[in-house]
Amino acid sequence: DAGVIQSPRHEVTEMGQEVTLRCKPISGHNSLFWYRQTMMRGLELLIYFNNNVPIDDSGMPEDRFSAKMPNASFSTLKIQPSEPRDSAVYFCASSLQKGSEKLFFGSGTQLSVL
Amino acid sequence: QQQVKQSPQSLIVQKGGIPIINCAYENTAFDYFPWYQQFPGKGPALLIAIRPDVSEKKEGRFTISFNKSAKQFSLHIMDSQPGDSATYFCAAKYDYKLSFGAGTTVTVRA
Repeated sequence: DAGVIQSPRHEVTEMGQEVTLRCKPISGHNSLFWYRQTMMRGLELLIYFNNNVPIDDSGMPEDRFSAKMPNASFSTLKIQPSEPRDSAVYFCASSLQKGSEKLFFGSGTQLSVL
Repeated sequence: QQQVKQSPQSLIVQKGGIPIINCAYENTAFDYFPWYQQFPGKGPALLIAIRPDVSEKKEGRFTISFNKSAKQFSLHIMDSQPGDSATYFCAAKYDYKLSFGAGTTVTVRA
């Protein structure tokens, strides 16, 4: 099992540019989460999908952030336009089903917005 | 507002020592309390977990102690090794949502 796969591992961009982060959950997992990790705020849940449907997007900080899950094996998190305060590590995680106790995290995307 | 408070922020122990990390919560609806371990450049990985009807759980050198009345739980790493050096996060779960503590960076010196 390859685990949760995220790309890119690192992204450096200029303020105002569009950024797209990608995630492939573990095959067979029906729940997908996007988290953001910063020193100041720790691990924050941004959005949760179940069976490809967004269930909870209350953690999405602003309209500049959007997420999609067009099918069970792919999700994207987009920031447009990006700002320096968006610099963080973004993690994707998946679990077998809603309410499953074990979350499997990807290795994250380190985003730097200059 | 952080729903799970974790301390200390960091700690250093000698090899063989017992680092202890403490967490506290307020929401009594939480029904599952996992600990995640994170190495630099990696995502958090589930280490050990406990339910609120159990007071202690051991898995290898890792032990969770849980005090339901005080709404506190802690992680003990017995006979710590340099390979245990990592950041540890406590968390509390209700339904699909995990609320994480701020993390504790543990350094085990050889």
